[in-house]
Amino acid sequence: SSELTQDPAVSVALGQTVRITCQGDSLRSYYASWFQQKPGQAPVLVIYDKNNRPSGIPDRFSGSSSGNTASLTITGAQAEDEADYYCNSRGTSGDHLIFGGGTKLTVL
Amino acid sequence: QLQLQESGPGLVKPSETLSLTCTVSGGSISSSTYYWGWIRQAPGKGLEWIGSINYSGSTFYNPSLKSRVTISVDTSKNQFSLKLSSVTAADTAVYYCAREDNTGITSPAIDYWGQGALVTASS
Repeated sequence: SSELTQDPAVSVALGQTVRITCQGDSLRSYYASWFQQKPGQAPVLVIYDKNNRPSGIPDRFSGSSSGNTASLTITGAQAEDEADYYCNSRGTSGDHLIFGGGTKLTVL
Repeated sequence: QLQLQESGPGLVKPSETLSLTCTVSGGSISSSTYYWGWIRQAPGKGLEWIGSINYSGSTFYNPSLKSRVTISVDTSKNQFSLKLSSVTAADTAVYYCAREDNTGITSPAIDYWGQGALVTASS
């Protein structure tokens, strides 16, 4: 199927490590990208090609993949990391893109 | 610095066609490396990819919207456009235009986004 599944909400204590996951059949063939979106703002690319960071993205953000699951890890979460996070990849047919439903990250 | 800016009516009547244009500045739309896409986000909901186009007019569409969507490109104006026909209230959303960088290993990286344009489908 062409779906990506994310947990709706995750929380992390300030300074701790959190992993946000994304599951889908297409992830067995295609790498995921990850986006951070804060209220009222456009999404920002934080990880692409499984574990590459665009210029300006802190190195506390990292990505990984295994089987049908992609993960975004934030090592030492900061207050400013509180946001919605979306995964994105190709659908199983490869001719279109899909997004996960999003994970709301709360930093306690 | 590449910038993308959406423009178009903020209000569309049900059953009519939604039309938006994205103007690209700070770079050329005429590169084989990139596709230029549309993504939307209904109020309080997640992101939905609509489709994308390259400089030569090659398109890809979301299968669930394909019957109603047309994306076109005008390289002379460095613009690309979205038309969504037969809109309903369910099409009310913030519509983003974005650049898809296809140099990735397996999937494009959507690396530049416009600020978004709210379009409301209502009579």
